[in-house]
Amino acid sequence: AQSVTQPDIHITVSEGASLELRCNYSYGATPYLFWYVQSPGQGLQLLLKYFSGDTLVQGIKGFEAEFKRSQSSFNLRKPSVHWSDAAEYFCAVALSGTYKYIFGTGTRLKVLA
Amino acid sequence: ETGVTQSPTHLIKTRGQQVTLRCSSQSGHNTVSWYQQALGQGPQFIFQYYREEENGRGNFPPRFSGLQFPNYSSELNVNALELDDSALYLCASSSPEQVTQYFGPGTRLTVL
Repeated sequence: AQSVTQPDIHITVSEGASLELRCNYSYGATPYLFWYVQSPGQGLQLLLKYFSGDTLVQGIKGFEAEFKRSQSSFNLRKPSVHWSDAAEYFCAVALSGTYKYIFGTGTRLKVLA
Repeated sequence: ETGVTQSPTHLIKTRGQQVTLRCSSQSGHNTVSWYQQALGQGPQFIFQYYREEENGRGNFPPRFSGLQFPNYSSELNVNALELDDSALYLCASSSPEQVTQYFGPGTRLTVL
């Protein structure tokens, strides 16, 4: 069955430090991959997506992600974290056909001043 | 361009009651998907509507039902509410040519 794993439930980084959030997926075909961010009590905002082509994709707010087929991974990175980046981050896979999304359980990011 | 909107923002119901949640899709989008997000979890796919027909369903019982209207807005109905139905319900819209879904702010349902 298709699944998405985000191994880190919580991550704490200092403001200005670099960030990497991990995402691994299990899916038979080439997936459509997404990263969303959710602030407390809010909906989901799209950060970036990968469909095909260049495996390094750029998103909003200075985020980027790299698709590695051999590792079934789609890790999210940011070179310098800002206090406003504190939120929960979700990785998702879209299945072909209905484009139903399967989400990971999320990684909660805390940023220290 | 108007984004996805949902109503109400919050509501509280009692076990056994019925509830209707509403969603207006983003302009130009004719596909609506509903997700349930329990506390501390990722969203779980409930179902999707395209051109007023159900177009895929997740692992939810039949007491979760939906509608889509000609203007592409949508309703999620839940009958015989259970305590475990307490969650944030998210609506997302997309167009059939796009995989990308755009989410609304959600409706927080509390079942007592």
